[in-house]
Amino acid sequence: DAGITQSPRHKVTETGTPVTLRCHQTENHRYMYWYRQDPGHGLRLIHYSYGVKDTDKGEVSDGYSVSRSKTEDFLLTLESATSSQTSVYFCAIRHGRIANTGELFFGEGSRLTVL
Amino acid sequence: GQQVMQIPQYQHVQEGEDFTTYCNSSTTLSNIQWYKQRPGGHPVFLIQLVKSGEVKKQKRLTFQFGEAKKNSSLHITATQTTDVGTYFCAGLAWGNEKLTFGTGTRLTIIP
Repeated sequence: DAGITQSPRHKVTETGTPVTLRCHQTENHRYMYWYRQDPGHGLRLIHYSYGVKDTDKGEVSDGYSVSRSKTEDFLLTLESATSSQTSVYFCAIRHGRIANTGELFFGEGSRLTVL
Repeated sequence: GQQVMQIPQYQHVQEGEDFTTYCNSSTTLSNIQWYKQRPGGHPVFLIQLVKSGEVKKQKRLTFQFGEAKKNSSLHITATQTTDVGTYFCAGLAWGNEKLTFGTGTRLTIIP
């Protein structure tokens, strides 16, 4: 267990409402990631963070924002949820201090349904 | 941007048969990783390959990294029901901190 918890694990919301997913880690890792998983697309990177207040976009960042005000928490926000954002969201942390190395450890996932 | 393609998308095999999934990157990679995701679960790291032409084994699983560091394969010998799941490759390009995942190969076993 890499000490990652995601909350909420399940959420149903309506189009146009804001949603925030939380990823919490207990091991002080620098790198944290948010992925979404959809059938036929595998895992696609939304945003990632390489330190407190240091974040960057992934390949599917439109409609999402993130914040990392402290090492242990990485928040993913949908400002105005749309049905296309119905998905399973995974948070991950990366072990290893050296760039270009280190495996990812994933949280249990958050299943979001936007009606 | 970097793309990682994986084939096949689905594979159904009889228990005891072998299974192979292939991964191809549009760019040269610094390393490639493999993950397994059981139905309803989250991806779990299996292995990382770094060197050109590298081959690593984990019991019945054999992982290869191509000479050009643009492709990789995972081969499972004599599949068992515990091998059921989706296998993902994930590539890391040089100078890039973003791991790009393939679309995955979903393996089902026919008992």
